[in-house]
Amino acid sequence: QKEVEQNSGPLSVPEGAIASLNCTYSDRGSQSFFWYRQYSGKSPELIMFIYSNGDKEDGRFTAQLNKASQYVSLLIRDSQPSDSATYLCAVTGNQFYFGTGTSLTVIP
Amino acid sequence: GAVVSQHPSWVICKSGTSVKIECRSLDFQATTMFWYRQFPKQSLMLMATSNEGSKATYEQGVEKDKFLINHASLTLSTLTVTSAHPEDSSFYICSPKQGSYNEQFFGPGTRLTVL
Repeated sequence: QKEVEQNSGPLSVPEGAIASLNCTYSDRGSQSFFWYRQYSGKSPELIMFIYSNGDKEDGRFTAQLNKASQYVSLLIRDSQPSDSATYLCAVTGNQFYFGTGTSLTVIP
Repeated sequence: GAVVSQHPSWVICKSGTSVKIECRSLDFQATTMFWYRQFPKQSLMLMATSNEGSKATYEQGVEKDKFLINHASLTLSTLTVTSAHPEDSSFYICSPKQGSYNEQFFGPGTRLTVL
């Protein structure tokens, strides 16, 4: 079983809609959870991180963490074409474990 | 976020040559450096972890004699791909980490193409 699993997509949403990205992890002892955005040919950039159960909002982005279900998600409100990218979920255990990423396309 | 630079950003070389990639953390001291590799349409794969002044720890399947890592200072780490072959063509990304901070930032990456 992979440490971190994401639906590879592609996920397509119309401009202005809410994009929902999901991630599950296997290590119940994981402490920190991160979402990165990666444009094609570029390095990942940190969007946000979450440590505690519940929701954390930053602008148009909301991370949701449910440790009991071993589930972390990222919601993007008012999606823009510039949000089109691959979104990587990362979880810290003994090291950083990355998911394979979900490809998001926002259609104008 | 942290400022991390990599050089070169893009390199093409002939098979059998060696390529050195530099990674610099410009505004903090990187006590730990992670080196990743990413093939097209795949996720990041951790190659090795190094602590300043110590030998790197390599992930299973990564040849330590082929991918030489030097982390001689808190702001500079280098990855040398020795005797590169076409299958080494990939996107190499460094990720410095400062002390106990959990956040991990990435360099802009180096695209290596071996002909």
